[in-house]
Amino acid sequence: DIVMTQTPLSSPVTLGQSASISCRSTQSLVHSDGNTYLSWFHQRPGQPPRLLIYKISNRFSGVPDRFSGSGAGTDFTLKISRVEAADVGVYYCLQSTQFPFTFGQGTKLEIK
Amino acid sequence: DVQVVESGGDLVQPGRSLTLSCAVSGFTFDDYAMHWVRQAPGKGLEWVSTISWNSAIIAYADSVKGRFTVSRDNAKDSLSLQMNNLKTEDTAFYYCAKGGESPFDSWGQGTLVTVSS
Repeated sequence: DIVMTQTPLSSPVTLGQSASISCRSTQSLVHSDGNTYLSWFHQRPGQPPRLLIYKISNRFSGVPDRFSGSGAGTDFTLKISRVEAADVGVYYCLQSTQFPFTFGQGTKLEIK
Repeated sequence: DVQVVESGGDLVQPGRSLTLSCAVSGFTFDDYAMHWVRQAPGKGLEWVSTISWNSAIIAYADSVKGRFTVSRDNAKDSLSLQMNNLKTEDTAFYYCAKGGESPFDSWGQGTLVTVSS
């Protein structure tokens, strides 16, 4: 199974500053079709997860351009620019390249 | 608008069975794979199962393989998760999510399954 490791597990950020979350996989996430199925989600307390980014760097509909994804192979990053109060919660990466699909442990973003 | 609504969660005893349902609207159901994901209270996300648009591809997490069965009825725009021999560690919110080019792009609010004696 592919293990997804996120760092940091907790990220205190000042409003207006940037935050970065890393996600590393134990195997390359490049699918045989050439795509890399690495997604990022945001979850607020009591809410279902919300898709932010898919296939490394594609922002889902309605996601602000303050959110950006990058990376390749086994190393991926989610960057949040100009952090707002609404960005607090837990962020997860997910690989859906290979069954079983696997999530990272989650990174809790909080405001300093 | 895409809507995904899970139902069927309940309090059940270990060893018993339960079936979850997921009703969708706002998109062409039989064009998309569908997924089940669960989250134990206060814990992270765990992928449970995926079924392709035509049910030709079905996959399960090792933790539920042999006990859970996913199925879909494209005529009724519905997805089901039959859960047998439930264990206390199956206690979680169960979410249904839409697949596609942007996988897991729409989620329901979840339904709570509690396994306890």
